[in-house]
Amino acid sequence: DAKTTQPPSMDCAEGRAANLPCNHSTISGNEYVYWYRQIHSQGPQYIIHGLKNNETNEMASLIITEDRKSSTLILPHATLRDTAVYYCIVRVAVWGNQFYFGTGTSLTVIP
Amino acid sequence: NAGVTQTPKFQVLKTGQSMTLQCAQDMNHNSMYWYRQDPGMGLRLIYYSASEGTTDKGEVPNGYNVSRLNKREFSLRLESAAPSQTSVYFCASNILLGTGELFFGEGSRLTVL
Repeated sequence: DAKTTQPPSMDCAEGRAANLPCNHSTISGNEYVYWYRQIHSQGPQYIIHGLKNNETNEMASLIITEDRKSSTLILPHATLRDTAVYYCIVRVAVWGNQFYFGTGTSLTVIP
Repeated sequence: NAGVTQTPKFQVLKTGQSMTLQCAQDMNHNSMYWYRQDPGMGLRLIYYSASEGTTDKGEVPNGYNVSRLNKREFSLRLESAAPSQTSVYFCASNILLGTGELFFGEGSRLTVL
């Protein structure tokens, strides 16, 4: 699976959009981009995933560049509860395939 | 539904002792995973089981063994615990088909003295 690069930490003002970047320049055509987050020391929580097109759900939006070499997770109106570590993962969506987590981005939402 | 349940939640061991971490899921998932997370670090995959009867090594398998007891249960065993295995251990599972969202347990905090 392709490697990802994320900034180690970011801050965001409460109520503002949080834009978390992820670089995956070696991504293959059949690899999906997944985002998870881990609040405090809980188990990670799924946020969103996509292949080529931009995706949106009730939690966030995922913007994937046309060449698929990078993506951005957008939390449209960050709240204090969004303070967490965010992981970007690329993975072939094949039965039983592994999920490899990196070190992620520690997002702090500031009041 | 309980989702993914891990036991115990906390454990303290002495160097050289053995123990087994238990994981069970009630979502009829086929694939199960064990991760470890050290302070300030991301998650690292120890072992995974794509389906009942199969297990494979992840990034950091040394010092661990696993058993996929049945479709629901996936256990992680430390035969001779070492201080370097002090960590938080997470079990996860996902469905067989499709892109497969991972569901995680609450974690098991292990300290090896």
